[in-house]
Amino acid sequence: QQQVKQSPQSLIVQKGGIPIINCAYENTAFDYFPWYQQFPGKGPALLIAIRPDVSEKKEGRFTISFNKSAKQFSLHIMDSQPGDSATYFCAALDTGRRALTFGSGTRLQVQP
Amino acid sequence: DGGITQSPKYLFRKEGQNVTLSCEQNLNHDAMYWYRQDPGQGLRLIYYSQIVNDFQKGDIAEGYSVSREKKESFPLTVTSAQKNPTAFYLCASKAGGQPQHFGDGTRLSIL
Repeated sequence: QQQVKQSPQSLIVQKGGIPIINCAYENTAFDYFPWYQQFPGKGPALLIAIRPDVSEKKEGRFTISFNKSAKQFSLHIMDSQPGDSATYFCAALDTGRRALTFGSGTRLQVQP
Repeated sequence: DGGITQSPKYLFRKEGQNVTLSCEQNLNHDAMYWYRQDPGQGLRLIYYSQIVNDFQKGDIAEGYSVSREKKESFPLTVTSAQKNPTAFYLCASKAGGQPQHFGDGTRLSIL
């Protein structure tokens, strides 16, 4: 089964800190790497995404860094706020079946 | 507003009973997906459909069935063969090279 490995499982930072969430994959057939944010009782919402021909993408306070040779990508949240407290999932899109494979999620808590 | 509607929000199933979860989208998306979410395991793909009248098994299809008779609808049936059905079920859709959009889920519990 295709896998995307995500770490850490949980993360606590102070307001203004920069939480970093890491993901790694093995399947070279993945060609699109989104990050989703999920609040309790809600469906995941797309946060930011990157394609493997780009090494970094920034949207507002959120940045994805992508290392194609290492098959790793990470999410950085600049100037984190208590409202960023949520569960974050990385994912990868398979070029064959065109469906996402998700990491196991990181529960982020930003303390005031 | 355009979006994905999942119903009901909460559902209870008795032992040996089949239940059907509804997923409707008015985004005119061709592809639709069903995921199961368990604590600490992320989202796992149950079934997906790229076009009407066609669907494929995902990674954990055993004990589930789907149909895709209309573009906007992709219902999921949790059968009695699914021995551990308690979970949060999420439906998603997408168009072409665009990202997946998710509904707000149905939480299924066993009585």
